[in-house]
Amino acid sequence: AQSVAQPEDQVNVAEGNPLTVKCTYSVSGNPYLFWYVQYPNRGLQFLLKYITGDNLVKGSYGFEAEFNKSQTSFHLKKPSALVSDSALYFCAVRDGAGGNNNNDMRFGAGTRLTVKP
Amino acid sequence: NAGVTQTPKFQVLKTGQSMTLQCAQDMNHEYMSWYRQDPGMGLRLIHYSVGAGITDQGEVPNGYNVSRSTTEDFPLRLLSAAPSQTSVYFCASSYRGPNSPLHFGNGTRLTVT
Repeated sequence: AQSVAQPEDQVNVAEGNPLTVKCTYSVSGNPYLFWYVQYPNRGLQFLLKYITGDNLVKGSYGFEAEFNKSQTSFHLKKPSALVSDSALYFCAVRDGAGGNNNNDMRFGAGTRLTVKP
Repeated sequence: NAGVTQTPKFQVLKTGQSMTLQCAQDMNHEYMSWYRQDPGMGLRLIHYSVGAGITDQGEVPNGYNVSRSTTEDFPLRLLSAAPSQTSVYFCASSYRGPNSPLHFGNGTRLTVT
């Protein structure tokens, strides 16, 4: 089955600095990769996804993610962090091996991003 | 457009009690799923459905039942609550297929004493 690892429980950055939240994945077929953000007492909100094509994916709120097939990674990035970016971030994967019959999305444990003024 | 609606938002149960968490979506999504979120463990898939009348087990199905009688609704039933089921529960839906992102409800915080 597909799986995701987020090696960092916590990432701290200063406002205005670039940020990176790491994610690695494991699938048997083609990966369909997603990033979500969760604010306190809310559900997860979709940020961006990688399906195929360009390895650099741009999403909401200035976030982007870089897909690296050889390293099986999909790191989330932002050139200049804002205090309002502080939240819990989840990486997720679906395995394309099952086609439309495989819809299971598996999530990492999450990384708490804190941006300090 | 309401999206995914979960009720209740909070619930406290005693061990052995039963209850149903409600989930409804108005986006005509074929796929619906239930996750539980526990600290340090991310989201774990409980049950899912790819359409009305079809359900299947996820990673952690024990102690939970689901049914899908309509496209819109996907209730999660706890038959005999246990303290280990204390968690935050999220319902999510999407169009069928691996490239469609999930849309989440705002969650139900359940405490079992």
